[in-house]
This record gives sequence, C-alpha cells and structure tokens, in this order.
Amino acid sequence: NAGVMQNPRHLVRRRGQEARLRCSPMKGHSHVYWYRQLPEEGLKFMVYLQKENIIDESGMPKERFSAEFPKEGPSILRIQQVVRGDSAAYFCASSFRENTGELFFGEGSRLTVL
Amino acid sequence: AQTVTQSQPEMSVQEAETVTLSCTYDTSESDYYLFWYKQPPSRQMILVIRQEAYKQQNATENRFSVNFQKAAKSFSLKISDSQLGDAAMYFCAYRHLYGQNFVFGPGTRLSVLP
Repeated sequence: NAGVMQNPRHLVRRRGQEARLRCSPMKGHSHVYWYRQLPEEGLKFMVYLQKENIIDESGMPKERFSAEFPKEGPSILRIQQVVRGDSAAYFCASSFRENTGELFFGEGSRLTVL
Repeated sequence: AQTVTQSQPEMSVQEAETVTLSCTYDTSESDYYLFWYKQPPSRQMILVIRQEAYKQQNATENRFSVNFQKAAKSFSLKISDSQLGDAAMYFCAYRHLYGQNFVFGPGTRLSVLP
C-alpha cells in the first residue's frame, strides 16, 4: 500500500517560470492538504481539497498560486511566475476522512528558484 | 486563531538518556487532537504520537510518551532511552476535532549524542 507520493522531489526554476507539483494521496484517501515549509520553520497550511473541490484555501497566496484535485489523477499545486521567495519545501498530506485526526505526509517537493 | 508554541529551538540528549520536548498551544475549543511529528533529515514527516483532548490518559507509543495538561494547554513529549535515530526536527501540531487544518509549531531540533 503505497504512501503519499509526491513528484518531483526536487525542482529548479528560474524567476518567472511556472512550477507544477504533483501529489497522489494514499489509496482510498479523498482529502488532500498542501503545506509549505520555509528553511528552519514549521509547516504552514496552504490549501485543503477534496475531489474536484477546494474546501479551504485560506493559507494560499491570492496571486500566482492555484491548486486542484481532479476526479482522476493527482492533486496539483501550481505556482506561476515564480519568485525567489517561493523557494521552499512543499508537502502534501492526505487523510481518509475529514475528521480522522491524522494526516499522512509525502516526502515533499523542494522548489528552488534561481 | 489557534497557535502552537515550541519554546526550545534546539535540544540535545545523550544516547540512552531521557529528554522532554515542550509544547504549548492556545485554543478556545474543548475538543481537539494534538500530535507530535518527527522530521528526520530525509524530510518526510512521520507521526510519532497523537492525543485526543477528551482522553485524560496520556498517550504512549513504545519509548515515546506525552504529558498532556489540558488546563495548562501543555503537551510535552518524553523520549526515553534515546537512540541515534531519534535525531530529527520534532513538530507539535494541533487540530480541532471538526477542523480541516493542522496548526504546527516552529519545531525543536533534537540532537542525540553518542
């Protein structure tokens, strides 16, 4: 039973390019969360999605960032026109139900913006 | 808004000794979950232990145990018989019982000395 799978593990982009990060939740999980971790800091909530719905995007910047979780396929976090401040580790987590109380994390995607 | 505080940015412990990591949180809710997550150098977030606020009994998982003081809003993690593999960042996290979002503390870096 594979865990939460994220790819790419490492992504390098130049300023102004687009970054796409993918997350496949654990089998049977329909709730996906994205978190951002800056160096030497804790995880900051970005967005919570269920299949085809964004439930809570209160932690996501209003501009340049978007997320989706289509009916088929992985969840995608998209960052347009990246800037150096977007350099961070982006973690995806999934849960079976909304209120199970536990999140299962992927290994993260490290974005470096040159 | 809920907040989680970890007042010890760094801690160290001798191998085989016991160490306690502190965590305090602020919430007006009465039903919630608390967690300790471990992030080793591989960066994957691993659940160490969880506590339901309605349970008075402190959670334990092998060498890991918590001291949950609900009135004081304190949730410390005790690691007994520390091992080199315990070296990692440890994050305390809060989640409201019916909430969707985890709130993480800034983390404590634990070093285990041989």
